[in-house]
Amino acid sequence: QVQLVESGGGLVKPGGSLRLSCAASGFTFSDYYMTWIRQAPGKGLEWVSYISDSGTTIFYTDSVKGRFSISRDNAKNSLFLEMNSLRAEDTAVYYCARAHSSSGDFDYWGQGTLVTVSS
Amino acid sequence: SYELTQPPSVSVSPGQTARITCSGDALPKQYSYWYQQKPGKAPVVVIFKDTERPSGIPERFSGSSSGTTVTLTISGVQAEDEADYYCQSSDMIGAWVFGGGTKLTVL
Repeated sequence: QVQLVESGGGLVKPGGSLRLSCAASGFTFSDYYMTWIRQAPGKGLEWVSYISDSGTTIFYTDSVKGRFSISRDNAKNSLFLEMNSLRAEDTAVYYCARAHSSSGDFDYWGQGTLVTVSS
Repeated sequence: SYELTQPPSVSVSPGQTARITCSGDALPKQYSYWYQQKPGKAPVVVIFKDTERPSGIPERFSGSSSGTTVTLTISGVQAEDEADYYCQSSDMIGAWVFGGGTKLTVL
């Protein structure tokens, strides 16, 4: 069965960095677009970034451009999100999700990992 | 930046029909998706490509599209349908976006 397991969240000071990982299993990872989606406490879903199956197409939401970097290792079935210059407003649960198409359709989600940015 | 607009809340009595709208300029040209999220859980897709229903999603969930507005309709609402609902689509250059979410309350 499809599984997505995020790791790497935690408490970090403003201006700090974190690297999130998502381990995928149960499907051919290299066949799918993958994405990071976050949800601040008590708030709605916010799409953060996606990467195409081959890694050649990458998009970010405006608020993280220049600070976050998405990548993948298809040999290790893993997705990553490098987060730098973190701000209080980046505090959220970060979900890794599989995109069933190039326009979205997130058919499988991880359980999420909490990132807290606070001094 | 591109935005999708949803009503913050919708309330219906059990057995009635709930309609949740989502508006965006690119919706006539881009597919839309709908997700249901219950407290403490990851979202679940209930409608994909505007009108398609995934296997396992009850038939009372349906999607429609008209111009710059897409609509999620839940016919014969049940108490278990109380949740937050989000639309999702993409802008014309390929970035993805969620609507602000709609809290469905079953009275």
